[in-house]
Amino acid sequence: AQKVTQAQTEISVVEKEDVTLDCVYETRDTTYYLFWYKQPPSGELVFLIRRNSFDEQNEISGRYSWNFQKSTSSFNFTITASQVVDSAVYFCALSEGPGNQFYFGTGTSLTVIP
Amino acid sequence: DAGITQSPRHKVTETGTPVTLRCHQTENHRYMYWYRQDPGHGLRLIHYSYGVKDTDKGEVSDGYSVSRSKTEDFLLTLESATSSQTSVYFCAISEGQGTYEQYFGPGTRLTVT
Repeated sequence: AQKVTQAQTEISVVEKEDVTLDCVYETRDTTYYLFWYKQPPSGELVFLIRRNSFDEQNEISGRYSWNFQKSTSSFNFTITASQVVDSAVYFCALSEGPGNQFYFGTGTSLTVIP
Repeated sequence: DAGITQSPRHKVTETGTPVTLRCHQTENHRYMYWYRQDPGHGLRLIHYSYGVKDTDKGEVSDGYSVSRSKTEDFLLTLESATSSQTSVYFCAISEGQGTYEQYFGPGTRLTVT
């Protein structure tokens, strides 16, 4: 069964618009970890954030914010005032705790149009 | 940036030939991973290592083998390459399995003709 679903395959926004990337996960564990990665057109994978299941506080880092809601099994990522440099593929990932592997979603390709 | 290098960065090979990809890290992390990235599939785990000579299979391990004789090096071998193994291969490292973020190398683009 797919553990991480990123239903949005591709999104296009105009520069300065806000955009939210959705991530829905599935797990039976009470302890788990969620991650977001960015893959710009150059191809490298860049770690953005890690969240554990017992910390539901939202997090903000500059123009980036993350909304973790256990009730809906979602860990959504919002970019405020998008810029062309935000154009990339974004991956959400789940780990079911110590000793477990990562499960990646299929990614959302974001294009920010100038 | 985490010190992870992969070699080669690009390779074209013929069906049936053996191929070895190398991942080298300078972070002294215990865990190392090999993933493949294909359109529509995201990243899928091939094999991982939790120490020197300690390895285990991932989700898509058929047709691949790995070896880790030193902490810093993790090798991925395609014994007899097939066209279905055309992909981009990423190595990753982490301090711990599951609880810590993984840091990725630059990737190797492999084409099997």
